[in-house]
Amino acid sequence: KQEVTQIPAALSVPEGENLVLNCSFTDSAIYNLQWFRQDPGKGLTSLLLIQSSQREQTSGRLNASLDKSSGRSTLYIAASQPGDSATYLCAVRSFSGGYNKLIFGAGTRLAVHP
Amino acid sequence: GAGVSQTPSNKVTEKGKYVELRCDPISGHTALYWYRQSLGQGPEFLIYFQGTGAADDSGLPNDRFFAVRPEGSVSTLKIQRTERGDSAVYLCASSPERTGTGELFFGEGSRLTVL
Repeated sequence: KQEVTQIPAALSVPEGENLVLNCSFTDSAIYNLQWFRQDPGKGLTSLLLIQSSQREQTSGRLNASLDKSSGRSTLYIAASQPGDSATYLCAVRSFSGGYNKLIFGAGTRLAVHP
Repeated sequence: GAGVSQTPSNKVTEKGKYVELRCDPISGHTALYWYRQSLGQGPEFLIYFQGTGAADDSGLPNDRFFAVRPEGSVSTLKIQRTERGDSAVYLCASSPERTGTGELFFGEGSRLTVL
């Protein structure tokens, strides 16, 4: 059974820091992995989608890497800003979990203070 | 509309009542998903539609929950005899991929409170 864990559960940093959010999954036979952002009381906004054949994806100040063999993905946020404050969720689509469904972690709550 | 639309945004009901939650996906998206999110947790899968048919309903918690998508576009999640434990945010997502493996786009969710 696929399980997704995100560490840390919460993070508070001053503006300008470079950040690393971690996601691990138990079954490395994944189809793809997706990172989302969720603001309080809102839905999920897709940030990056990494296919199993890819090692990383970049969008602006965000970079996500994927290491299937070790069951890990990392979301790197450069030069953090207060507007980056939100919950970041990692989700995987795997063959064992039923490839048509995303399995989510519990998220990392990020607070960036001025 | 440009994104996934969900109504109502908030629903308060009494224990034992019937509730319907509606999802209008992005135009042209064939895949539609329902998820449920409790406070402080990640979303949990409920059901997945490809076109009009429910391709995977393994996440529905019991037979009080049912979902339809009669014309392959709008979907309705139906909950009978609501219980306090059903209180959560119900999220809908759509995807353009026919294989059910593409990027998901979520709506704002419907917050259900059962008193």
